[in-house]
Amino acid sequence: EAGVTQFPSHSVIEKGQTVTLRCDPISGHDNLYWYRRVMGKEIKFLLHFVKESKQDESGMPNNRFLAERTGGTYSTLKVQPAELEDSGVYFCASSQVWGAEAFFGQGTRLTVV
Amino acid sequence: GENVEQHPSTLSVQEGDSAVIKCTYSDSASNYFPWYKQELGKGPQLIIDIRSNVGEKKDQRIAVTLNKTAKHFSLHITETQPEDSAVYFCAARPNTGNQFYFGTGTSLTVIP
Repeated sequence: EAGVTQFPSHSVIEKGQTVTLRCDPISGHDNLYWYRRVMGKEIKFLLHFVKESKQDESGMPNNRFLAERTGGTYSTLKVQPAELEDSGVYFCASSQVWGAEAFFGQGTRLTVV
Repeated sequence: GENVEQHPSTLSVQEGDSAVIKCTYSDSASNYFPWYKQELGKGPQLIIDIRSNVGEKKDQRIAVTLNKTAKHFSLHITETQPEDSAVYFCAARPNTGNQFYFGTGTSLTVIP
């Protein structure tokens, strides 16, 4: 069974540009989460989808971040326009049901220069 | 909201020795405490977890203890091996939501 897959693994963009990260959860997992780790700090929650609906987006930093999960399968996280402080590793995770173990992808390392 | 603190930030041990990583949490509503291991170039992988109705759980060389009164939990790795070298994260999840609150991570190095 394939795990959680994230694309790209690395992205370097200039300040002001747009970047879109993609996450393919484990097939059949209704719950999808986005997390971010800024260098040396804790992994912080961004938002949670249940199927295609945003269940909790309390962790989204500001309106430059837009997450979508059309059709309840893969999800995208767009940052527009990117700022220097957006640099970090963005993780996606999925779980089959609420409260179950969450499986993480390998992360996307975003560097804004 | 929940606040999880993790210590130490770095830990070096000789192969065969034990390693202990400690975490504290603030929200008494937290009832699920997983530990993740992140190897270089990979995402965090669940290695062991404990729920608030249990005080200790063991899986081969790995054990986790939970003290609900003091709001702290610890990861114990015995007979460490070089492949245990990684960054370890503790996390807590309140029963009021579905998000994890992570510690800042511990970089463990096992010296052969």
